[in-house]
Amino acid sequence: SAVISQKPSRDICQRGTSLTIQCQVDSQVTMMFWYRQQPGQSLTLIATANQGSEATYESGFVIDKFPISRPNLTFSTLTVSNMSPEDSSIYLCSVERRGRQAFFGQGTRLTVV
Amino acid sequence: GQNIDQPTEMTATEGAIVQINCTYQTSGFNGLFWYQQHAGEAPTFLSYNVLDGLEEKGRFSSFLSRSKGYSYLLLKELQMKDSASYLCAVRGDNYGGSQGNLIFGKGTKLSVKP
Repeated sequence: SAVISQKPSRDICQRGTSLTIQCQVDSQVTMMFWYRQQPGQSLTLIATANQGSEATYESGFVIDKFPISRPNLTFSTLTVSNMSPEDSSIYLCSVERRGRQAFFGQGTRLTVV
Repeated sequence: GQNIDQPTEMTATEGAIVQINCTYQTSGFNGLFWYQQHAGEAPTFLSYNVLDGLEEKGRFSSFLSRSKGYSYLLLKELQMKDSASYLCAVRGDNYGGSQGNLIFGKGTKLSVKP
């Protein structure tokens, strides 16, 4: 298994501001994944973060809106920039182990007002 | 396009058996996963199927038919703590045939009643 610490667990933010979410894994991993889970919706992959290279973003997500850092093999951050109420969601980081089974952090519940 | 369908909600009685179905249409197939997610918590892994057939794991079993694009999760001897959302996820292909990312269904919210 993998122990993933994600913070903050929740936040309420003003529109137009930015929030940085941190994700710490208990062991080194090549790839870390960032997902969004909007109310009543499925988990949607935002981007894949590789250490030492730029993140790979999925269709509909751009680096200017969701900049990602991956300074080492156990840590990553996702920033939600210039927030609007439509960004209110749960954001989850994830790593994969053993047959590519995904493990998730506890999630960050973001509310933009 | 890529699509995963599962029922939005189900209700069952404590001690009973419930089957949650999942149908999928994806670009390629490299395995199907079931996750459990309690309200306000992270999804946790339940099962993995890559070949046709039934995988049994205690009170939980998962079935896969690749030709039909169909899976189900079977929960036996239901307990109150099984009230949660159950997410079906499929790993498709990247272009070039390498293993792709996980694609999640919207989840089935299961309510277990006494």
